[in-house]
Amino acid sequence: DGGITQSPKYLFRKEGQNVTLSCEQNLNHDAMYWYRQDPGQGLRLIYYSQIVNDFQKGDIAEGYSVSREKKESFPLTVTSAQKNPTAFYLCASSSTGYGYTFGSGTRLTVV
Amino acid sequence: KQEVTQIPAALSVPEGENLVLNCSFTDSAIYNLQWFRQDPGKGLTSLLLIQSSQREQTSGRLNASLDKSSGRSTLYIAASQPGDSATYLCAVSPIGGSNYKLTFGKGTLLTVNP
Repeated sequence: DGGITQSPKYLFRKEGQNVTLSCEQNLNHDAMYWYRQDPGQGLRLIYYSQIVNDFQKGDIAEGYSVSREKKESFPLTVTSAQKNPTAFYLCASSSTGYGYTFGSGTRLTVV
Repeated sequence: KQEVTQIPAALSVPEGENLVLNCSFTDSAIYNLQWFRQDPGKGLTSLLLIQSSQREQTSGRLNASLDKSSGRSTLYIAASQPGDSATYLCAVSPIGGSNYKLTFGKGTLLTVNP
């Protein structure tokens, strides 16, 4: 079945550490996205990519980095510059006329 | 800047009741509108996608309508069941294709009581 796979489901980060969240899709979608979800704040866009080797900042890109070397993959790195990284992270992909498909999410906690 | 508002923020109904969730958006220049469901601690599941040229979409007990001129969409759930309990989110994408960033509402938390 086609879909989006996010891993890991749960991730713990120590202060000053960089961590990478994985997102893989087999839907052949051109565009991919990373959103952050905090209680009471809704979903906020971190980065998005419309084609391979190209990506744009969303509304809250500071402290995050991404790459898009393959169409299927869009990993997100949460760097030590992100001061409040504890949140639920959602990856999505889209194709014109078909809307968005989301992964099951990664819950990141700072310890 | 597009803003999406969902009313009510929370809704509790007895099983079997028909209900309506509301979504409004400030900029009518949208490409499409999508309704999602989110269970606690899970990702978003797409329910219905309405293209800007369409007025409504139906899937099973769900019916979503779109009125671009007034900036409103409604999600109608018929004969609600306890399994419908979840947070429902609407999101719009701007003109220029669906490969652009969505703007989400904050959602409506629905509880269906047995």
